[in-house]
Amino acid sequence: DQQVKQNSPSLSVQEGRISILNCDYTNSMFDYFLWYKKYPAEGPTFLISISSIKDKNEDGRFTVFLNKSAKHLSLHIVPSQPGDSAVYFCAAGIGGSNYKLTFGKGTLLTVNP
Amino acid sequence: NAGVTQTPKFRVLKTGQSMTLLCAQDMNHEYMYWYRQDPGMGLRLIHYSVGEGTTAKGEVPDGYNVSRLKKQNFLLGLESAAPSQTSVYFCASSYAGGMNQPQHFGDGTRLSIL
Repeated sequence: DQQVKQNSPSLSVQEGRISILNCDYTNSMFDYFLWYKKYPAEGPTFLISISSIKDKNEDGRFTVFLNKSAKHLSLHIVPSQPGDSAVYFCAAGIGGSNYKLTFGKGTLLTVNP
Repeated sequence: NAGVTQTPKFRVLKTGQSMTLLCAQDMNHEYMYWYRQDPGMGLRLIHYSVGEGTTAKGEVPDGYNVSRLKKQNFLLGLESAAPSQTSVYFCASSYAGGMNQPQHFGDGTRLSIL
């Protein structure tokens, strides 16, 4: 039973445009969500997070939106840059905790020059 | 500034062999984790540790053992390797387990079991 779902295996956008990566979850106990970025042959790196008490968190070009009623979150990257091309993982935790995370399968983002 | 270092980076084993994967962090983090990533799958937590001398089971612990004898090291052992354990293994660490204390990952160990 997949509790964190990233239904788009891949996404391709043009440089300068907006990239929107989506994530759905089924476990209503999740109250903390993170996005990680992963380049080939490297480990994931933390990008941005959001607590369930918020519906938006912004950090530079990256914004995460949380819709608790729909159990849906999205990552917006504006403007997209070729260096953003990577696999993006959505992850969720319970009880405000950062450990015992549940990860989605990832979405491969390709930003074309 | 090394961060999280995993040794080895690649390894090929025969079924039934044993081996130990080493993870070392130099950030004085309390929490450490071992994940596996299989093709088309997200990262799945194998075992984790909330401090020196402690270990706990994650989502997929069967076939693995771990030890945290020193704060900076977290070892993952395979006593009798099976082809189903072919995977990329990632180690991670965090200062603690709360929000705003994200996990820092190593670059992974690619393990093939023949």
